Amino acid sequence: GEDVEQSLFLSVREGDSSVINCTYTDSSSTYLYWYKQEPGAGLQLLTYIFSNMDMKQDQRLTVLLNKKDKHLSLRIADTQTGDSAIYFCAERYTGKLIFGQGTTLQVKP
Amino acid sequence: NAGVTQTPKFQVLKTGQSMTLQCAQDMNHEYMSWYRQDPGMGLRLIHYSVGAGITDQGEVPNGYNVSRSTTEDFPLRLLSAAPSQTSVYFCASSPGIGQPQHFGDGTRLSIL
Repeated sequence: GEDVEQSLFLSVREGDSSVINCTYTDSSSTYLYWYKQEPGAGLQLLTYIFSNMDMKQDQRLTVLLNKKDKHLSLRIADTQTGDSAIYFCAERYTGKLIFGQGTTLQVKP
Repeated sequence: NAGVTQTPKFQVLKTGQSMTLQCAQDMNHEYMSWYRQDPGMGLRLIHYSVGAGITDQGEVPNGYNVSRSTTEDFPLRLLSAAPSQTSVYFCASSPGIGQPQHFGDGTRLSIL
């Protein structure tokens, strides 16, 4: 079946950039998404990218898509303590969303 | 803006009990879905619905039933709870299948 893989943990210092990586298996994915989950809350859509794009920038967030390698990344510039959360990537597969395991981002002051 | 509302927020059940997790959305979204979240496994799709009267199975449907009699509501039923169903359950909705989903805050369910 389709699979989305993420590393489980990332620790950065406040003010540094964070890069969260994701790989997926379905080459026909049309949209890829990044969600953020804060403790005790549901998932909040951060951004998404269409498969015919290589990059999308939205304020401090930059999404890079390498379709050849089926690799998606989320860069957070000037990471703040409020960015501490679990980040999920997801691919659209046959209309449904397939989620990765989530990457826990720890931001140290 | 209520968005997606899930009730209850917490529940403890005994093995073999039944219960219904409620989900309601006020955005007139056609697509609704239920996920369970377990440590290290991300979110797994249980059931989904593309519109009132239509439901289908996701990745892990066993032990769960759903119905969609209205656009707004999509309840999830556990017929005979098992400890393996201890999890956090999220309901989500979107205007259409594959479009960005709006999530509820989750129901934390423990089966003893």
